Amino acid sequence: AQKITQTQPGMFVQEKEAVTLDCTYDTSDPSYGLFWYKQPSSGEMIFLIYQGSYDQQNATEGRYSLNFQKARKSANLVISASQLGDSAMYFCAMREGSEVQEYGNKLVFGAGTILRVKS
Amino acid sequence: GAVVSQHPSRVICKSGTSVKIECRSLDFQATTMFWYRQFPKQSLMLMATSNEGSKATYEQGVEKDKFLINHASLTLSTLTVTSAHPEDSSFYICSARGGDTTYEQYFGPGTRLTVT
Repeated sequence: AQKITQTQPGMFVQEKEAVTLDCTYDTSDPSYGLFWYKQPSSGEMIFLIYQGSYDQQNATEGRYSLNFQKARKSANLVISASQLGDSAMYFCAMREGSEVQEYGNKLVFGAGTILRVKS
Repeated sequence: GAVVSQHPSRVICKSGTSVKIECRSLDFQATTMFWYRQFPKQSLMLMATSNEGSKATYEQGVEKDKFLINHASLTLSTLTVTSAHPEDSSFYICSARGGDTTYEQYFGPGTRLTVT
């Protein structure tokens, strides 16, 4: 079974509007972490935001916020006030296990969503 | 801080030859490094996890004799693609994780390998 599911292969958003990129996950481990990365056409992976499974509040980083619904196992990324430079591939990823483990923990990535911001 | 470099950024090699890709953590000690492979418009697939001073752990389906990984120091891991074939052409990305409690993996800029 897929551990990370991103159901939107591609999305369009008008500049200055908000957009939500969907991500659902599957794990039986009570301790896990959820990540969002941005990959522009240059290929570099840019870390955007992180949510730990025990975090009480939704993570926010500038224009990025993570809508974490634990019971539904979803971790959607919300980008507010979209900019042309936001056009890129976006990946949701999950790390199972505690963050304090010395070795590991490997990330499992979703298939990604290509976001195009229109002017 | 937390910069990871990869060298080379692009490489073209002939079928049957070997190519080495370096991954360096520039300003922190990386106890664990990860190697990923990415085909065009697809996701990152983890190939192997390497811990400094020990043998790499390969994911299922990854040939360890073809993709040799060495993590000789806390700042350097290398991936050698041996006897490369055109189907090995891909984007290879490394990431590194420090030995502290940080949750984050820091990614290198990637290496685009083309085998002709």
